[in-house]
Amino acid sequence: NAGVMQNPRHLVRRRGQEARLRCSPMKGHSHVYWYRQLPEEGLKFMVYLQKENIIDESGMPKERFSAEFPKEGPSILRIQQVVRGDSAAYFCASSSIAGGQDNEQFFGPGTRLTVL
Amino acid sequence: SQQGEEDPQALSIQEGENATMNCSYKTSINNLQWYRQNSGRGLVHLILIRSNEREKHSGRLRVTLDTSKKSSSLLITASRAADTASYFCAPSGNTPLVFGKGTRLSVIA
Repeated sequence: NAGVMQNPRHLVRRRGQEARLRCSPMKGHSHVYWYRQLPEEGLKFMVYLQKENIIDESGMPKERFSAEFPKEGPSILRIQQVVRGDSAAYFCASSSIAGGQDNEQFFGPGTRLTVL
Repeated sequence: SQQGEEDPQALSIQEGENATMNCSYKTSINNLQWYRQNSGRGLVHLILIRSNEREKHSGRLRVTLDTSKKSSSLLITASRAADTASYFCAPSGNTPLVFGKGTRLSVIA
């Protein structure tokens, strides 16, 4: 059973370009979470999605950032017109149960975005 | 917010010693989870303790939960160099997990 997969693992963009980060959840998981981690910091929640729905995007900047989890295919975190401050590691996690009693999340290896 | 705060921020011990990390939180929870992050990698789930449990063991890990004090502790016994990592607690309810800055554990061989 493959774990959570993220690609690319490393992404370099120049200021003003777009960054697309992909996440394939574990098989059977329909809940996806995106986090951002700056160096020496903990993970910051960005957005929580179920298939075709955004459930909670309270941690995602209102501008330039968007996320989707289509019926078919991976979840995508999209950052438009990237700036240097967007440089960070972006982690995706998936779970089979939303909130509730157990909410164990399985994390992917992350995508390290560097904005030049 | 259900964010947990880990303490201490950093901990350095000799191989074979025990390591204790603490977590405090502010709201009611369904469970509390501990995760480990090795440098440059994603988080790995270690153990989950439910709100009606007081103590749980998994291998060399021992977790306690005191809901009256809104605190939890993670004990790693007989530590190994491979335990060097950052450890995060995640108090969990019906909202997405929120992580603190973690405890950075260094186990010196």
